[in-house]
Amino acid sequence: EIVLTQSPGTLSLSPGERATLSCRASQTVNRNSLAWYQQEPGQAPRLLISGAFNRAAGIPDRFSGSGSGTDFTLTINRLEPEDFAVYYCQQYGTFPYTFGQGTKLEIK
Amino acid sequence: EVQLVESGGGLVQPGESLRLSCAASGFTFNDYDMNWFRQAPGKGLEWVSYISTTGRVIYYADSVKGRFTISRDNAKKSVYLQMDRLRDEDTALYYCHRAGTWGQGTLVTVSS
Repeated sequence: EIVLTQSPGTLSLSPGERATLSCRASQTVNRNSLAWYQQEPGQAPRLLISGAFNRAAGIPDRFSGSGSGTDFTLTINRLEPEDFAVYYCQQYGTFPYTFGQGTKLEIK
Repeated sequence: EVQLVESGGGLVQPGESLRLSCAASGFTFNDYDMNWFRQAPGKGLEWVSYISTTGRVIYYADSVKGRFTISRDNAKKSVYLQMDRLRDEDTALYYCHRAGTWGQGTLVTVSS
């Protein structure tokens, strides 16, 4: 099973700043099949990025994904108040699909 | 509008069974592989099971293999999760999923 490790566990930033979230895989993610999700309390996850860098429909261009192989990054520029949430990476290139443990982005 | 609506959750005792359903609308259902995911209270996300468009290819997480059965009915635009021999650790919000879309989830509570 591919283990995904997200860092940091918690990120404290202010609106307007840039957030950089990391996701490291224990082995190569097939075809860069790596997604990023945002989850707010009491809500279902919301797809932000698929295929490591492809923004989902309706996602602002403040959100960008990068990386390949085993190291992936989600960057959020110019943080808005609604961006403070929990973020998960997920690999869907190999069964079992696996998630990182999440990064909580909180207001500083 | 693409929609996935789960149902069938509830409170059961350990060892009992439940059948979850997910009704799809707003897209060509038989063009999409489907998955079930779950999230225990206060915990992260966990993939549970996958079924291909025709139902011929199926995978399960080790934690549910041999106890859960996924199926689909393309005519009814629905996917199902039969959950047998439920355990306390199966307590979670269960989400139906297709590429890019999640339902709102149905809560399964296993407790004596």
